[in-house]
Amino acid sequence: ETGVTQTPRHLVMGMTNKKSLKCEQHLGHNAMYWYKQSAKKPLELMFVYNFKEQTENNSVPSRFSPECPNSSHLFLHLHTLQPEDSALYLCASSQDVSGLDGYTFGSGTRLTVV
Amino acid sequence: AQKITQTQPGMFVQEKEAVTLDCTYDTSDQSYGLFWYKQPSSGEMIFLIYQGSYDEQNATEGRYSLNFQKARKSANLVISASQLGDSAMYFCAMREGAGGYNKLIFGAGTRLAVHP
Repeated sequence: ETGVTQTPRHLVMGMTNKKSLKCEQHLGHNAMYWYKQSAKKPLELMFVYNFKEQTENNSVPSRFSPECPNSSHLFLHLHTLQPEDSALYLCASSQDVSGLDGYTFGSGTRLTVV
Repeated sequence: AQKITQTQPGMFVQEKEAVTLDCTYDTSDQSYGLFWYKQPSSGEMIFLIYQGSYDEQNATEGRYSLNFQKARKSANLVISASQLGDSAMYFCAMREGAGGYNKLIFGAGTRLAVHP
């Protein structure tokens, strides 16, 4: 049982749908991250949150909208996605944004856009 | 330019043998950290081993060891006595940054297949 839980594990959505990915951790961590893992590409850091505040947005299209209501929960709201957005979306957390105590990852949400 | 380079897209190893997965990195920071993660088909990133840039000894964790050659900027993972359950994707990652704000950057990964 990982310390970071992601739901759903799998998601198929049409290009006109709106859906949300959820990430939850009860490790007492204050930094949370969204990564995108596409086939045959390195993991790409999308967003960073520190104490609920967004500290990084790596030029992510606005059809991806993150939300961090508290340090334990992180959402990724999806709308009008494209087929190329199909990927594994991984959430991670760390004690703080220094990452000196390491990172814990969830199992990911495998997203398919049809 | 790639910060983390893993030159082996795929590797095969016989069960019970040792295997080395290559990783080179590029950074101008003096303080950084290097990680190896295992990703089975389930998708979860499982932490294996960590090496800090100031650590003088090579890191070891059970069957995993990290061959850290700072001058060559390489951080190869050695898995001894391979097991069938070691078949997975393996990612090298580097934590770098400044002022207490760091990022974890990943390489493209190496797919390891362990044969009986």
